[in-house]
Amino acid sequence: AQSVTQPDIHITVSEGASLELRCNYSYGATPYLFWYVQSPGQGLQLLLKYFSGDTLVQGIKGFEAEFKRSQSSFNLRKPSVHWSDAAEYFCAVEGEGGGNKLTFGTGTQLKVEL
Amino acid sequence: EAQVTQNPRYLITVTGKKLTVTCSQNMNHEYMSWYRQDPGLGLRQIYYSMNVEVTDKGDVPEGYKVSRKEKRNFPLILESPSPNQTSLYFCASSSSDRANVLTFGAGSRLTVL
Repeated sequence: AQSVTQPDIHITVSEGASLELRCNYSYGATPYLFWYVQSPGQGLQLLLKYFSGDTLVQGIKGFEAEFKRSQSSFNLRKPSVHWSDAAEYFCAVEGEGGGNKLTFGTGTQLKVEL
Repeated sequence: EAQVTQNPRYLITVTGKKLTVTCSQNMNHEYMSWYRQDPGLGLRQIYYSMNVEVTDKGDVPEGYKVSRKEKRNFPLILESPSPNQTSLYFCASSSSDRANVLTFGAGSRLTVL
C-alpha cells in the first residue's frame, strides 16, 4: 500500500522568503501526485498535480513542485511567500485501484510572519 | 458555480443518536467519496461511489453507511455515533475514477459527546 510522509508538521517563514515543503511517498509504480491547500474553515483546494511528463510542474498561486523518482519526493516550492499563503498543505498520492482514493500525508501547517 | 455542498457544517450530538451529513454536487460527476480528517492522521477515505447505486468501502468504513440514489447526492449516515467519530468530514467528487482532480466540499465538523 502506498504512503505519504510530510516530515514537517509546522513551518514558519517570513513574508517574501522562499518556501519548500517536503513530501516523500512510498509506491511501487509511477504515482499520481498532488498538493492541496486547506485554508481555515475551508475545503481542500488543488495547488498542482503530477501525472507524467515534465517533472517540474507549475500550479496556482505561484507554487511549483518537482517530482524526483530517485528520491521518492515531490517537494512544493514557492520563491516568495505572501501572508495569504498561511494555511495547511497536504501532499497526496493516488495509487492503484482507483475509487478516487488518495492517500494523504499528515499535513504541514505554514505560518507566515509579517 | 461548480461546487460540492455539505450540510450541516457544524454539529454537536450525543452518542447513539442517528445523524446524516448530506453532500450534493452540481457538476454531474459520477464519482463521489467521503473522507475524514483527524489531527496527525491527514485525510482517510471512508466510502466512495462510482455511480448511482454503486458504492464501496474505503479505508475506514466502520460505523458509517452511505447511499447513492441520485447522481448528485451522496449522504453519509452515522447510525449510532460514538465519540471516536468526532472528526472533520469532507465530501468530494470527480469526473473519473482515476488520475483526476477531486473537488472537495467545505467540510462538516462533527462532535459526538
